[in-house]
Amino acid sequence: GENVEQHPSTLSVQEGDSAVIKCTYSDSASNYFPWYKQELGKRPQLIIDIRSNVGEKKDQRIAVTLNKTAKHFSLHITETQPEDSAVYFCAASKGNNDMRFGAGTRLTVKP
Amino acid sequence: DVKVTQSSRYLVKRTGEKVFLECVQDMDHENMFWYRQDPGLGLRLIYFSYDVKMKEKGDIPEGYSVSREKKERFSLILESASTNQTSMYLCASSQTRGGRSPLHFGNGTRLTVT
Repeated sequence: GENVEQHPSTLSVQEGDSAVIKCTYSDSASNYFPWYKQELGKRPQLIIDIRSNVGEKKDQRIAVTLNKTAKHFSLHITETQPEDSAVYFCAASKGNNDMRFGAGTRLTVKP
Repeated sequence: DVKVTQSSRYLVKRTGEKVFLECVQDMDHENMFWYRQDPGLGLRLIYFSYDVKMKEKGDIPEGYSVSREKKERFSLILESASTNQTSMYLCASSQTRGGRSPLHFGNGTRLTVT
């Protein structure tokens, strides 16, 4: 089955800096790549997603890039703020109703 | 707004007990999922269902079963709870078949097996 690896496991940045989280996937048939943010004690919530027919997608300070050839995708957060502190999960799905997640990245934004 | 409701926020059970975790969604979603969340391991798929009475094994189905008798309800069953099943359990639903729509999660059930 699909295997998703996520790096780094922890990331600490200064407020205003950029943060990048990277994921790789194993199954070339995967075609949907969402990113979820989980604040402490809360449910994971979708922040951005990308489909395999698109190379990049941006939503304000958040962007995701996808390299299908290399089978990796990345989350970019610019101008980080303390409220961006959370655990971020990448995921991959190949259209058969199962979604596999990475192990998560704990992002800390220091004021 | 999609609402996925898990019946219990915290549960404490004894080893060997049969445990039921209930999940209800209110948006007529076809797909429902059970994940287990452990530190450093992310979210691991236990079972999913894409229709009433249909179920598919995920990556870690051992020791678990599921039931989907109605479209809005998906139950996770621990036949005989063990201490290694102590974890956070997350239910989720999604709208379309084909796995290309986002998951909507419940608040989770933190299960402790003693």
